[in-house]
Amino acid sequence: EVQLGQSGAEVKKPGESLKISCKFSGYSFTDDWIGWVRQLPGKGLEWMGIIYPGDSETRYSPSFQGQVTISVDKSITTAYLQWSSLKASDTAMYYCARWRSGTTWLDYWGQGTLVTVSS
Amino acid sequence: QSALTQPASVSGSPGQSITISCTGTSSAVGTYNLVSWYQLHPGKAPKLMIYEGSKRPSGVSNRFSGSKSGNTASLTISGLQAEDEADYYCCCYISSVIHVVFGGGTKLTVL
Repeated sequence: EVQLGQSGAEVKKPGESLKISCKFSGYSFTDDWIGWVRQLPGKGLEWMGIIYPGDSETRYSPSFQGQVTISVDKSITTAYLQWSSLKASDTAMYYCARWRSGTTWLDYWGQGTLVTVSS
Repeated sequence: QSALTQPASVSGSPGQSITISCTGTSSAVGTYNLVSWYQLHPGKAPKLMIYEGSKRPSGVSNRFSGSKSGNTASLTISGLQAEDEADYYCCCYISSVIHVVFGGGTKLTVL
């Protein structure tokens, strides 16, 4: 069974760095893509970017290019989303999800990680 | 970049049917097999309900169906149940660069 387990909620101050994780199990981690999706409080879903664990090829949505870094550690089948300097506007729920190669949808999602940035 | 427009809210009584529309500004929606639909319950992982416009993943009730007319994709839920109350998002694959765009989401209320 495919499972995606995201790291727990975070409370950070503006300017701090953060790396949240998404642990995958139940399938071949390097065969499919992993996407990240943001949901601002009370708002809709926004596509952030995607990474292919096989070779770490990463594609960012233009809105998030330069704002976050997506990475993976194949040895522990985990994907990451990180910020070097958080802003209050980064307060949101962040979801990881699997994008099967050759398809056009996200079939399995994590439960989300709530990031709160406040002074 | 394509935008996907959904109604902010829809409602229906138990047993009724409702339809949520998703209208795209590009031809991407018109390409039937690029649209997927997701259900979001607070505190739970989002769930894929429809892919390639009209296909249901294993485990999704056949009360959920997808269709398309021109540049508008639709999600229909028949025999509404209280557990269907959730937010629903359409999603469309745009390109290998932008990748996907989501609709604004529709809040379904079961009266």
